[in-house]
Parts: sequence; C-alpha cells; structure tokens
Amino acid sequence: EVQLVESGGGLVQPGGSLRLSCTASGFALSDHEMNWVRQAPGKGLEWVSYISKSGGDIYYADSVKGRFTISRDNLKNSLFLQMNNLRADDTALYYCARVMNYLDNSASYYPDSWGRGTLVTVSS
Amino acid sequence: EIVLTQSPATLSLSPGDTATLSCRASQSVDNYLAWFQQKPGQAPRLLMYDASIRAPGIPARFSGSGSGTDFTLTISSLAPEDFAIYYCVHRRDWPPLTFGPGARVEMK
Repeated sequence: EVQLVESGGGLVQPGGSLRLSCTASGFALSDHEMNWVRQAPGKGLEWVSYISKSGGDIYYADSVKGRFTISRDNLKNSLFLQMNNLRADDTALYYCARVMNYLDNSASYYPDSWGRGTLVTVSS
Repeated sequence: EIVLTQSPATLSLSPGDTATLSCRASQSVDNYLAWFQQKPGQAPRLLMYDASIRAPGIPARFSGSGSGTDFTLTISSLAPEDFAIYYCVHRRDWPPLTFGPGARVEMK
C-alpha cells in the first residue's frame, strides 16, 4: 500500500524556519517526481514545489521562491521541504504528494497519492 | 498564468441525483486538466486526469469531459460518500500546477 507520512510541522514565529519531512512506503520514491502542496485553514489547494526523480529539476511557486528549498533522499525514501523566513501567510497544512506516472513511465505532474499533511502555523 | 474558475460554488443535491460541476479556464489548457475530491479532514483524492480518464479505483459514476477552456465533472447517481469539495487543476503552463477555487457538493 502506498503511504506518505509528513512530519516536522509546528508553531513558529514569523521569520523562523522549519524543515518538513515526508517518508514514503509501499513504492520506490526514486520512481516518482514529487510535489509539496499546501492548504491554508478553510481555503483551497496551492501548489508549493516540485522535484524530479533525481532532484535535478526543481520548481517553486512564486510565493515561496527564495525562501523554501525542496530536496529528496531516494535511498531513505524521503522528501524534504526546508522553509526559511516564514510568514503568517505560510500558515497551512502541508501535503507531500506523489506525481502520477503515465503507462510509459513519463510524469503526468498530477499528484495521485497524498499524505495526511503536517500543520505549519506561523504566529507570534 | 492560466486561471481556473469553478461553478457553481455550491451544489445542493440529494443522494441519487446527478451532479454537474463546471471548470472554466481563462485560456486553453488543451486536455491537461484533472479533478480531485476532498472530504473534511482528508487529503485530496485524484478522480480524473487529462480531462476524461478515470484514475485507478474511481467508480464509473464519475466522468469527466471537455477540452480547451470548458470542462465538466459529472457524478451520476450521487452516493452519500460523494458529498465533498471538488477541485479542478491544470498543468498546461507547468510549472506551476494551478488549482481552481473548489466547488462544494452538499446534501440538500
């Protein structure tokens, strides 16, 4: 069974940092691109960041560019999101989401499996 | 950036009814559109991708159609577990992945 478990969320002051982790099981992380997607309380979904299978291609939403860093360790089946200079509007539930592969093993960019999320609250 | 709008924002229906949800793009997204379902306290679930292809394990009562700028998610014979929020998302100008604002299907 595919499972993604996020951790590392918590309460942090504006300007602070957090490092989120996502541990994958039931599949080889190295076979999939990965995304982070967030959801502010009571709000919709917002794509945050993407990393290719090898980590060679990385993209960020404009809202987090320069402050967040995505990375992965395929040997440990883990995905990370380093978040620096946090702001109140970064408060959200952060989901780790696997990118679905097409039958030819190319990436669809659509997330097909999600974790339960880890809550980040930025407040003084 | 290509923006998605969803209508109606809320749909009030009864079990057994048919739900028709619309997603409109500000420019063509070809068929690079997906639909997700989210229930309270749960992660989103992929329902449809590339506009009309059901994701594995999704019941046949869910169907998607459209291309270009106008898309529809149809849920035939609503089951009690189908009352949820539905999001469309496109990848036409990847990156980013752009989500619509969501549409709620609530029980009348």
